Amino acid sequence: AQSVTQPDIHITVSEGASLELRCNYSYGATPYLFWYVQSPGQGLQLLLKYFSGDTLVQGIKGFEAEFKRSQSSFNLRKPSVHWSDAAEYFCAVGGIGGGFKTIFGAGTRLFVKA
Amino acid sequence: EPEVTQTPSHQVTQMGQEVILRCVPISNHLYFYWYRQILGQKVEFLVSFYNNEISEKSEIFDDQFSVERPDGSNFTLKIRSTKLEDSAMYFCASTSLGGETQYFGPGTRLLVL
Repeated sequence: AQSVTQPDIHITVSEGASLELRCNYSYGATPYLFWYVQSPGQGLQLLLKYFSGDTLVQGIKGFEAEFKRSQSSFNLRKPSVHWSDAAEYFCAVGGIGGGFKTIFGAGTRLFVKA
Repeated sequence: EPEVTQTPSHQVTQMGQEVILRCVPISNHLYFYWYRQILGQKVEFLVSFYNNEISEKSEIFDDQFSVERPDGSNFTLKIRSTKLEDSAMYFCASTSLGGETQYFGPGTRLLVL
């Protein structure tokens, strides 16, 4: 069965430090991969997506992610975190099944300390 | 940029009451979805809808739930008799043919008392 695993429930990073959020997926075919960010009480904002081609994808707000097929991973990175990046981050696999549904990971909450 | 809209943003209802959550997908999109997020938990797939019928539904989407596209623009989720555990944020999404990227609405927060 398809699944998305985000092993870190929460991460704390100092402002200005680098960030890496981990994501592993289980899916038989070539996946559509996404990262979303959600501020408290808000909706889902798409940060970036991977469908094919270059395995390093750039997104909004200075985020990037790298697809590694051999590790079934799609980790999110940012070289220098800002306090406004504090939020919940969801990794997701899309285009699944005849209805093209999306399956989300459990999320990683990012805390940023001054 | 076109976006998915949802109304209402918040709804409070009594247990056992019927609620209808409304969504206006992006106009040229063909696939429509509802997802649910219980407070503090992950986003869960409920149902997908294409060509005026359900294409897939999860085990959460039981007989209490129904979806409809009553006209050319709206997509609704009805919960017939709400339970306390239906309290959640409900997200609508839509995608064009090919189904690569789903565009999510801002959500409706439903509170069942």
